[in-house]
Amino acid sequence: DTEVTQTPKHLVMGMTNKKSLKCEQHMGHRAMYWYKQKAKKPPELMFVYSYEKLSINESVPSRFSPECPNSSLLNLHLHALQPEDSALYLCASSQEGGQGRPEAFFGQGTRLTVV
Amino acid sequence: QQQVKQSPQSLIVQKGGISIINCAYENTAFDYFPWYQQFPGKGPALLIAIRPDVSEKKEGRFTISFNKSAKQFSLHIMDSQPGDSATYFCAASSRSGYSTLTFGKGTMLLVSP
Repeated sequence: DTEVTQTPKHLVMGMTNKKSLKCEQHMGHRAMYWYKQKAKKPPELMFVYSYEKLSINESVPSRFSPECPNSSLLNLHLHALQPEDSALYLCASSQEGGQGRPEAFFGQGTRLTVV
Repeated sequence: QQQVKQSPQSLIVQKGGISIINCAYENTAFDYFPWYQQFPGKGPALLIAIRPDVSEKKEGRFTISFNKSAKQFSLHIMDSQPGDSATYFCAASSRSGYSTLTFGKGTMLLVSP
């Protein structure tokens, strides 16, 4: 099973709202990622968690706050977003790289619209 | 600085033809090169991947060719079908402990019936 599940599939939020995106995987992967993808562009890395610890933050604004409650779950908390933050937010997971299995599997994404 | 250059930006192929997408990289630390297929409104799906210790890998109708000295790799889709119409991304990562992928800009493939 190579499934990464993201909820919700679609989200519309106002600029003053607080919302959360959720991601779940049951492949035993210990690395989890958030990517942002704008229309007709490739995914761009936002955050990397390894063994539930934040390992990489690609200079993402503080209005995006990641959280990894356990090895299977990854959240992205959203607050005071701007319309330009509208995008497809993708979660991915992989085995920790040192184990020689670098394949990263993506979820279906959350289509976020900020109004 | 774009570390993975992908071409063409778009491609139209007749059904049954061969689709070829090319990528070139600059960072010699890259040691894993996957291709992803993405349909509209969906997440990228891992299609096939290669390491630089082999020059070619084939899975069904999909083949990756890899030229380490030229720092280039390509995806060949044989017997292209309308269902293959999607955006294809090449990517690269290094053995840094994570699969942090550097993506090419993508190729929109349309296979005409």
